[in-house]
Amino acid sequence: AQKVTQAQTEISVVEKEDVTLDCVYETRDTTYYLFWYKQPPSGELVFLIRRNSFDEQNEISGRYSWNFQKSTSSFNFTITASQVVDSAVYFCALMDTGRRALTFGSGTRLQVQP
Amino acid sequence: KAGVTQTPRYLIKTRGQQVTLSCSPISGHRSVSWYQQTPGQGLQFLFEYFSETQRNKGNFPGRFSGRQFSNSRSEMNVSTLELGDSALYLCASGGDRGIEQFFGPGTRLTVL
Repeated sequence: AQKVTQAQTEISVVEKEDVTLDCVYETRDTTYYLFWYKQPPSGELVFLIRRNSFDEQNEISGRYSWNFQKSTSSFNFTITASQVVDSAVYFCALMDTGRRALTFGSGTRLQVQP
Repeated sequence: KAGVTQTPRYLIKTRGQQVTLSCSPISGHRSVSWYQQTPGQGLQFLFEYFSETQRNKGNFPGRFSGRQFSNSRSEMNVSTLELGDSALYLCASGGDRGIEQFFGPGTRLTVL
């Protein structure tokens, strides 16, 4: 069975601080995909990134960066110089290629204070 | 390119009624998945449709059903509504492999 754990329920930071959201996953599959989504108060899930299990390269997109480590089954997300607009709930998710269904973590609520 | 659209955005029903939610995927996408989000259970996969066929199914009772039309638009139906069905229902659009998962704004269902 697949499982995604986001141990941090809520994080509060002050604007311009860096923050890392942790994600640990469990799967027996050798081929899988990992995702991060942002859910602002409006409710829509905004896609941030998708990585496949064969690509362990870290990725940077503006203030966002992701660190994927298969050895520790982790896919952590860092926001550099956080802004108030980053306040949202962030979800990590896992998909195996056979089932094509996302298994979500419980989410981390990030509050960025001005 | 237009994004995923879901209608209606908000819905209030009473126990025992049934409800139909609609989702139009991104143009060219043939995979549509449905998810339920509740405070207690979080985000859970309901089912996925591709080319008018249900390709995957989550662990939900038979009261939850869906279908997909030839234009890839999808509907999900919940019969005999229960209070616990109150949730945000999210639809995701994907390409043929179903790996892309772009979500719509959701339909917030309240069951009284």
